[in-house]
Amino acid sequence: SQQGEEDPQALSIQEGENATMNCSYKTSINNLQWYRQNSGRGLVHLILIRSNEREKHSGRLRVTLDTSKKSSSLLITASRAADTASYFCVAGSGGGADGLTFGKGTHLIIQP
Amino acid sequence: DTAVSQTPKYLVTQMGNDKSIKCEQNLGHDTMYWYKQDSKKFLKIMFSYNNKELIINETVPNRFSPKSPDKAHLNLHINSLELGDSAVYFCASSQVGTGTEAFFGQGTRLTVV
Repeated sequence: SQQGEEDPQALSIQEGENATMNCSYKTSINNLQWYRQNSGRGLVHLILIRSNEREKHSGRLRVTLDTSKKSSSLLITASRAADTASYFCVAGSGGGADGLTFGKGTHLIIQP
Repeated sequence: DTAVSQTPKYLVTQMGNDKSIKCEQNLGHDTMYWYKQDSKKFLKIMFSYNNKELIINETVPNRFSPKSPDKAHLNLHINSLELGDSAVYFCASSQVGTGTEAFFGQGTRLTVV
């Protein structure tokens, strides 16, 4: 996989608002994944979008992928305090056993 | 049942010691990994291992070695611990070739004093 670059590095919003974070990558991919890491915990897989998909939903999450711009966005609607975490994108070429390459992530803080 | 479990959760030890962190997955995955997350929260792959190959990140010192007694376990051995080894170590597993998600353990916080 290749490292995605998340933007912004940090985001603070009020509970109930929507949070949008972006990811850019450099070379062609087969899929792109988003992971969440709550403080002091392991990473949890949120969603995977394949290169032939443009948008995907999972609960309050919406992911878009624009392969022409080599970018993806993650939208969390109706944010909750429990969404406070770091979010990482990983751009995958598929099939390899070389592990995931993580960027610095977006640190999201949901204020009550 | 925990999909990927690693022990211990916390490990405090003195410089120069040798220690091991254990990892087990019950997902039937064919590939397991070790990651290191430093104090700046930057997460880096250390090793990936399946029954065919071991891929080592070239930046990992040879004091670190993975040991896999079977497909469901990948333990991390660290010799001659140094202060700079203090970090959180995560084990993970996935099924290679499907392009699907990796499952992570809860991490082991290693503190070298």
